[in-house]
Amino acid sequence: EDQVTQSPEALRLQEGESSSLNCSYTVSGLRGLFWYRQDPGKGPEFLFTLYSAGEEKEKERLKATLTKKESFLHITAPKPEDSATYLCAVANQAGTALIFGKGTTLSVSS
Amino acid sequence: GAGVSQSPSNKVTEKGKDVELRCDPISGHTALYWYRQSLGQGLEFLIYFQGNSAPDKSGLPSDRFSAERTGGSVSTLTIQRTQQEDSAVYLCASSFSGQGALGEAFFGQGTRLTVV
Repeated sequence: EDQVTQSPEALRLQEGESSSLNCSYTVSGLRGLFWYRQDPGKGPEFLFTLYSAGEEKEKERLKATLTKKESFLHITAPKPEDSATYLCAVANQAGTALIFGKGTTLSVSS
Repeated sequence: GAGVSQSPSNKVTEKGKDVELRCDPISGHTALYWYRQSLGQGLEFLIYFQGNSAPDKSGLPSDRFSAERTGGSVSTLTIQRTQQEDSAVYLCASSFSGQGALGEAFFGQGTRLTVV
């Protein structure tokens, strides 16, 4: 069964304190791994898609990396506006749906 | 509008009543999805529409749940005989055709359903 597990559930950082969020996945064949950001009361917002091990993508202070078993979302020198829940997902085999993890809630204080 | 629009934003209903939730996708997006997000849980896939193809209904939790998409645009999710466990935020998303779930999905703000 396809499965996505994210850790930690919650992460508190000081502004400027870099860290990483983890996403472990189990799929019979990876068709894409996705990162989304969700702010309270809003729908998820797309960040990245990764397709193969070794791939990396960057956007501002965020960098996503992918191995054969997990993905990391690295946050460099975070700011308070980076506070949000970060969701990881994989595409199902039929390519009709995303299977989401429960997310990591990041809080960055100034 | 520029984004995915969902209505109502909040809905409180009595147990046993039927509810309809509406989704207006981004114009030109032929793929449309419904997800459910319960407190402390991840997003749970419900149903997927792609153009004129038969929808993937594999995520619907029971036969009380149904959805339709008229004219390849607006979609309605119907929950019959609502139960308290149906309380959740129902999210709709759309994406550009051709890539299905592999494409960038644009989510609406959701409908918060509370069954009392």
